[in-house]
Order: sequence, then C-alpha cells, then structure tokens
Amino acid sequence: AQKITQTQPGMFVQEKEAVTLDCTYDTSDPSYGLFWYKQPSSGEMIFLIYQGSYDQQNATEGRYSLNFQKARKSANLVISASQLGDSAMYFCAMTTDSWGKFQFGAGTQVVVTP
Amino acid sequence: DSGVTQTPKHLITATGQRVTLRCSPRSGDLSVYWYQQSLDQGLQFLIQYYNGEERAKGNILERFSAQQFPDLHSELNLSSLELGDSALYFCASSVRPSGGSGELFFGEGSRLTVL
Repeated sequence: AQKITQTQPGMFVQEKEAVTLDCTYDTSDPSYGLFWYKQPSSGEMIFLIYQGSYDQQNATEGRYSLNFQKARKSANLVISASQLGDSAMYFCAMTTDSWGKFQFGAGTQVVVTP
Repeated sequence: DSGVTQTPKHLITATGQRVTLRCSPRSGDLSVYWYQQSLDQGLQFLIQYYNGEERAKGNILERFSAQQFPDLHSELNLSSLELGDSALYFCASSVRPSGGSGELFFGEGSRLTVL
C-alpha cells in the first residue's frame, strides 16, 4: 500500500530563517512522483515543487528545495529565507505510475514570526 | 489562476438534501480528481476520472457519486447530506492518467456547509 507521512503538525520559524518540513513515504512501485503543495489561509492549493523517483538531483524552485533521500524514503521540503507570506499549511503528496491517485500527508502548519 | 474552475464556491444546505458540485478542468487536461478536506480528516481522495472513465476510487461514500462528461467537465453529487459532510471539496486536474511528473492543478474549492 502507498503511504505518506508528515509527522510535524506545526512549527514556528523566524523570518529570514530556513525551515525543513519532514515527509516520508512508502511504496513498492519503482516509479513515483513526490510533490509539495502550500495551502494558505485563503484555502487554495498551490503547487510548489516536484521530485521524480528517477531524478538524480534534488529539485529546486526558487526558495524551495526538496531534500530527496531515496534509500530513506524521505522527501523533505526546505524553505530558505522564510517570509511572513510563507505562513501556511504545507502538504506532501505522492503518486505512482501504476497507482494513479495522489495521496496527501496530514500537513504541517508553518507560522513565520517577525 | 490554476485554470481549474469550481462552482459553487460556497454552498449552505440542510441535512438530507442533495447538492451537485461542478468542475471544469484546465484546457487539455483529461484527468479530474475530487478531494474532500475536512478539519479532522485532512485531504481525502474521493475519486478520479480520466477521459470520461472512472480510473481510481478512494474513500467515497455510497451517498456520493461522480461522473465526467464528454466535454471533460465533472460533477460530484452528494446526497442525503449529513452534518459530517461539511467540508471543502476540491477538484484537481492533470494532463496524465496517472502519476509521474504530472502535477495536480487545483480549483479554489467548493465549501459545503450542512446545517
């Protein structure tokens, strides 16, 4: 069975600091994709970053980077130089080619403080 | 703007009633996913359609049904509504039938309140 786990329900981070959000996954499918989404208080789901299981390098998108450790089955999101606008719920998600549906973790609430 | 359109944005109804939520995917996307997000359950996958056919099913109640039409828009029908059905219902679309690098593009959601 496919499973995705976010163990941090919430965290505070100071503005301009970096923060790492944990995500672990479990799948026996060799081909899968890992995603991070941001959900601000307004409710919309915003795609942040994608990592494919066969990608050799860690994905980066601006201030977002994904620390992909395949052997450990982890796909942590790193947000560098946090901004007040980064305060939101962050979801890790996984899908596999054979499975199709996207499975989301429980989410991590991030609050950025001045 | 993700390009995915959901209507209505807000809906208030009574227990026992039936509602229909509508989703228009991004132009060119053939896959439509429905998710339910409630405070205590997180984002729960309900069902996926690809090019008109049901492709994957999650924890969708029997009181709920969905379909994807030839023009690729999708509808989620919720009947015999209960208080616990109050949630934010998301539609998302993707160009691919399954996983890989095809990210999901989400609509803004339909917030259902059952009184």
